[in-house]
Amino acid sequence: RKEVEQDPGPFNVPEGATVAFNCTYSNSASQSFFWYRQDCRKEPKLLMSVYSSGNEDGRFTAQLNRASQYISLLIRDSKLSDSATYLCVVNTGFQKLVFGTGTRLLVSP
Amino acid sequence: GAGVSQSPSNKVTEKGKDVELRCDPISGHTALYWYRQSLGQGLEFLIYFQGNSAPDKSGLPSDRFSAERTGGSVSTLTIQRTQQEDSAVYLCASSLEGGGTYEQYFGPGTRLTVT
Repeated sequence: RKEVEQDPGPFNVPEGATVAFNCTYSNSASQSFFWYRQDCRKEPKLLMSVYSSGNEDGRFTAQLNRASQYISLLIRDSKLSDSATYLCVVNTGFQKLVFGTGTRLLVSP
Repeated sequence: GAGVSQSPSNKVTEKGKDVELRCDPISGHTALYWYRQSLGQGLEFLIYFQGNSAPDKSGLPSDRFSAERTGGSVSTLTIQRTQQEDSAVYLCASSLEGGGTYEQYFGPGTRLTVT
C-alpha cells in the first residue's frame, strides 16, 4: 500500500462548481499534513496546511480525519485559474514529507 | 527575496556520462531536499540534509547517485554513468528547519534527458 494515495482524476468541473478531493495515508503516526498545488511544468507550491480542527482559506477548506486517516480539500466557486494538480503531502514522522501523486483538476468555462 | 534556484534548467546528456545538478537554497534555510519527478508521476524523495547532521540518503535509487551540501548552503546532486531511466525533473526544496513540519519551497527544477 502506498504511504499516501490520491485519486489521480482528472476532475472536470465547470466554473463556479464545488469540488472535493480526498487523500488517504497509511502511517497513523503522521503528524503534519499539507496540500500543495502544482501547475503544469512548474514546481509545487504550498496551498495550505491542514490542522486537526479543519481550516479554511477563502474558497479552500481542508479537513483532517485521523480516525480514518484521510485528508480532504474542498474548493468552492471554482475558477479557471484553479486548474492544476493538487498534491496531498504527509509528514510520516521520519523527518521528511511524502507526496501523493496528485489529483488533476480542470475547470472549464 | 530570492527563492530556491537550480541550474541548469535543462540538461541533455548521453547515456553513460556523469552529470551534476546544482541547488541554491533560500538563505537561512537549514533543511534541503532533493526529489525527482518523472512524467506524470509524483515526487520521489531522494535525499535530505539538515544542518550539520548526516544526510538521510534513504531515497537514493542506486549508488550512482550522490549528493553533498557544502557549508550548509549550496548542494550538488551527482549522477554517475547516467541511464535512460534517470530522465526526469530533479527538484530541490529548502525549508527553514527540518522535521517535515515547515513549508518546503521548491526550485524550478532541472529537466534531465538521457539519450
